[in-house]
Amino acid sequence: EIVLTQSPDFQSVTPKEKVTITCRASQSIGSSLHWYQQKPDQSPKLLIKYASQSISGVPSRFSGSGSGTDFTLTINSLEAEDAATYYCHQSSSLPQTFGQGTKVEIK
Amino acid sequence: EVQLVESGGGLVKPGGSLRLSCAASGFTFSSYSMNWVRQAPGKGLEWVSSISSSSSYIYYADSVKGRFTISRDNAKNSLYLQMNSLRAEDTAVYYCARGEQPLDYWGQGTLVTVSS
Repeated sequence: EIVLTQSPDFQSVTPKEKVTITCRASQSIGSSLHWYQQKPDQSPKLLIKYASQSISGVPSRFSGSGSGTDFTLTINSLEAEDAATYYCHQSSSLPQTFGQGTKVEIK
Repeated sequence: EVQLVESGGGLVKPGGSLRLSCAASGFTFSSYSMNWVRQAPGKGLEWVSSISSSSSYIYYADSVKGRFTISRDNAKNSLYLQMNSLRAEDTAVYYCARGEQPLDYWGQGTLVTVSS
């Protein structure tokens, strides 16, 4: 099973600040890494697919990068509505796995 | 608009059974793989099972293999999860999600509570 480890687990950030969340895979997964946002009491929402591909309707301040084992989700100029938990997800091999999540709080 | 609506959750005793349903609309259901993903209270996401568009390929997490059965009815645009021999650790919100990779649309979830 491929283990995804996110860091940090929690981040408290002021609006307009830049946020960087990393996701490290226990073995190479190519670019089969996706990012989701989950707000309290809501279902997850796809933000970025295949490490860096944007999703229609997702604000351009969200971007992704990386390949192999190291990936990054960047939120440029954080807005209050971005308070949420962010998860990475690998679909390279079964079982599909998720990172443990990174909670982003707005100061 | 893509919509996925889960139903069938509830309170069940350990060892009991439950069948979850997911009604799909707004897209050609028969063209997409579908999945069940769960989230225990206050915890992260756990993939449970996947089924290909024509039901030819079915996969399960080890934690549910032999106890859960995923199925679909393309004529009814519906996805199902039959859950048997339920355990306390199966308590979670169960989401249905569209796609093979990635999971591009998710339902709102249905809560399954396993407790005596």
